[in-house]
Amino acid sequence: GQQVMQIPQYQHVQEGEDFTTYCNSSTTLSNIQWYKQRPGGHPVFLIQLVKSGEVKKQKRLTFQFGEAKKNSSLHITATQTTDVGTYFCAGQDRGSTLGRLYFGRGTQLTVWP
Amino acid sequence: AAGVIQSPRHLIKEKRETATLKCYPIPRHDTVYWYQQGPGQDPQFLISFYEKMQSDKGSIPDRFSAQQFSDYHSELNMSSLELGDSALYFCASSRGQNNEQYFGPGTRLTVT
Repeated sequence: GQQVMQIPQYQHVQEGEDFTTYCNSSTTLSNIQWYKQRPGGHPVFLIQLVKSGEVKKQKRLTFQFGEAKKNSSLHITATQTTDVGTYFCAGQDRGSTLGRLYFGRGTQLTVWP
Repeated sequence: AAGVIQSPRHLIKEKRETATLKCYPIPRHDTVYWYQQGPGQDPQFLISFYEKMQSDKGSIPDRFSAQQFSDYHSELNMSSLELGDSALYFCASSRGQNNEQYFGPGTRLTVT
């Protein structure tokens, strides 16, 4: 079945350092969505990538979708303490129009001041 | 902007009891999804509804049922609760089935 792998599971950085999390799907995706979840909170939608090779930026965040639509990455430049949380990628299967999200395990980011 | 509303936010039940979780999607969103998230885990898809019809079913126990009503709100009914049902339950909504999903604040269910 559909699987989405995400690494690393944990990342500890000093404030100002960069951070990257990677997602890889076992099957081709129709799109991939990224979420941020703070401790005790709910997943907050960040972005959706749909096109092969797509790159989108949101301030210090850069999102990429692979050419084969099977992998994706989120890069944060110059992390801040407000970036703390767990970042999830979640893919929708190309073979389905039903929309369920297959989540990666998430990368828990800790930022030391 | 209006967000997804879930109630209750916290629920404590005993084993074998029943629980009903409610979800009110963002206005004009026609699709509702339910996810279960255990401690330290990623959200797992349970069930979804599109235009008031069940559209997809994931790893939802037979003890659970759900429906979407004419006003698009959805309810997740959980019976014969077990200790292992303790988790966060999120509802998400979207406009159409392959678009971005917006999550509600969740219901934290504790079964004792």
